[in-house]
Amino acid sequence: AQSVTQPDIHITVSEGASLELRCNYSYGATPYLFWYVQSPGQGLQLLLKYFSGDTLVQGIKGFEAEFKRSQSSFNLRKPSVHWSDAAEYFCAGNNAGNMLTFGGGTRLMVKP
Amino acid sequence: GAGVSQTPSNKVTEKGKYVELRCDPISGHTALYWYRQSLGQGPEFLIYFQGTGAADDSGLPNDRFFAVRPEGSVSTLKIQRTERGDSAVYLCASSISGVPYNEQFFGPGTRLTVL
Repeated sequence: AQSVTQPDIHITVSEGASLELRCNYSYGATPYLFWYVQSPGQGLQLLLKYFSGDTLVQGIKGFEAEFKRSQSSFNLRKPSVHWSDAAEYFCAGNNAGNMLTFGGGTRLMVKP
Repeated sequence: GAGVSQTPSNKVTEKGKYVELRCDPISGHTALYWYRQSLGQGPEFLIYFQGTGAADDSGLPNDRFFAVRPEGSVSTLKIQRTERGDSAVYLCASSISGVPYNEQFFGPGTRLTVL
């Protein structure tokens, strides 16, 4: 079955520190992969997506993600976290169908 | 331009009642999706429309759930005989077409509480 797993439910980092959020996928073929952010009271916003080509993908708000086929991973990174990055982050996948399959989410807290 | 809008933002109902949740997609987007997000979980797919027709309704949990999009724009998710387990945030998304790698733009959701 197709699935997306985010192993970390909560992560706390200090402001200015680097960030890596983990995402693993299980699909028969390489899926399209997405990272979304959800802030309280707001809808899901797309940070970046991967569907082919370069395995390092740049997104909005200074985020990037690296697709690693050998590890079935698509981890999200940011070199320096800002307090405004505190939110819930969702990794999602989509193969030939149209529905997104989401991971359970990782809640990011930022310490001052 | 305007994003995806959903009404109402909150809906409280009693067990056994009927509810309708509305979604206004971005103008010109032919693909529309409904997801359900339970507390502490990621969104789960319910149904996908391409134009007026439901192209994939495999995520609807049972026959109490039904959705329509009669004119290919606004969609309504209908839940009959609501149960406490239906309590969740119902999210609507739209994309310019049904191509899998197109971005899905999400609305703010409708929080449904069944007492």
